[in-house]
Amino acid sequence: DAKTTQPNSMESNEEEPVHLPCNHSTISGTDYIHWYRQLPSQGPEYVIHGLTSNVNNRMASLAIAEDRKSSTLILHRATLRDAAVYYCILRAYEGYNQGGKLIFGQGTELSVKP
Amino acid sequence: GAGVSQSPSNKVTEKGKDVELRCDPISGHTALYWYRQSLGQGLEFLIYFQGNSAPDKSGLPSDRFSAERTGGSVSTLTIQRTQQEDSAVYLCASSLGAAYSNQPQHFGDGTRLSIL
Repeated sequence: DAKTTQPNSMESNEEEPVHLPCNHSTISGTDYIHWYRQLPSQGPEYVIHGLTSNVNNRMASLAIAEDRKSSTLILHRATLRDAAVYYCILRAYEGYNQGGKLIFGQGTELSVKP
Repeated sequence: GAGVSQSPSNKVTEKGKDVELRCDPISGHTALYWYRQSLGQGLEFLIYFQGNSAPDKSGLPSDRFSAERTGGSVSTLTIQRTQQEDSAVYLCASSLGAAYSNQPQHFGDGTRLSIL
């Protein structure tokens, strides 16, 4: 499985944008880039995913490098509730009705200061 | 709507006992996953069910672990003869289907298992 590399931790100030980087230099052409986050004492929560183009949803934006070897999750205005561990995960397409499991790395622990 | 429900939320048991953990997926979700999260090990995949296909058991750490999914809905993870290293949070997730890699997984809040 292709691996991802993320910083162990990052800090942000409330109401400022946050850019969470992820490197995935061995990504294959059929790998989707997924982001999940895990708030304290909760299960992981889906944030966003993409393949080649940048993506936006109500939670965040995902910027994907042209060579797809890196990506950045962007929280436009951090709130205290965004303090969590953020996981960047590559999901391989393994064929119909196969695969689907998520391989979690260590993630980035984001702290948000008021 | 209702999310993934897991029970119990906490379980304390003695070493050597068997435990059963339950997962109710989101209605209509055909794919169901079990993961566990322990200190120092992070989140690791255990087993995955997709419809009527044979489950992917590649993540189960030993033959003391088993899981079943009845009627394509509720799933039970069973750990026999529990050991202290089984202490962890056991997480269940479901998704619309694993046919394509872009279906997000929806997680429950897990069962915290403590082995004395």
